[in-house]
Amino acid sequence: NAGVTQTPKFQVLKTGQSMTLQCAQDMNHEYMSWYRQDPGMGLRLIHYSVGAGITDQGEVPNGYNVSRSTTEDFPLRLLSAAPSQTSVYFCASSSTSFFSYNEQFFGPGTRLTVL
Amino acid sequence: GQSLEQPSEVTAVEGAIVQINCTYQTSGFYGLSWYQQHDGGAPTFLSYNGLDGLEETGRFSSFLSRSDSYGYLLLQELQMKDSASYFCAVRSGYSTLTFGKGTMLLVSP
Repeated sequence: NAGVTQTPKFQVLKTGQSMTLQCAQDMNHEYMSWYRQDPGMGLRLIHYSVGAGITDQGEVPNGYNVSRSTTEDFPLRLLSAAPSQTSVYFCASSSTSFFSYNEQFFGPGTRLTVL
Repeated sequence: GQSLEQPSEVTAVEGAIVQINCTYQTSGFYGLSWYQQHDGGAPTFLSYNGLDGLEETGRFSSFLSRSDSYGYLLLQELQMKDSASYFCAVRSGYSTLTFGKGTMLLVSP
């Protein structure tokens, strides 16, 4: 199993550009989530999904959109990139049993720079 | 809202024991987890406490006191490879984790 995969690994955007960060998992996990990690800020939840067709906002959702059409994929869209969105983005997944939400499996991250 | 406090940095020597504390304030509570992250790589799950007490997994143990809103991660027989960042995370919503800002552990020879 590949686990959680993310593409691209690195990306540089200009202010105002849009792009989609891809996330896929092959563990048949119902729960998927996106975090951003900034220096000294830990991991902050952007959006999450408890199953196909169901998404919800996390702590810092502004400027990002998500959709969940399949169990495997959970793309994150930046609508109009801003320098404040320069960060490392992690996708994570877990099953949805009561305990499993505590043990999330993370992808390798996408390092995004917005100029 | 939720807030978690943990030290920003801890240093120790190989073979020693180190404790990383975490205090939290949250409106809901479904458990406290700990994650390890090496050099900005993918965070990996270490342990979980849903009830008060100590959970042991090899060289790592984690403790929770819900009445004190406090937990800690205990690392024994430290090795150089344990140098990493450690995050506590509160499960405050049924399906969501809120992470602390992380503690960087530096293990020296």
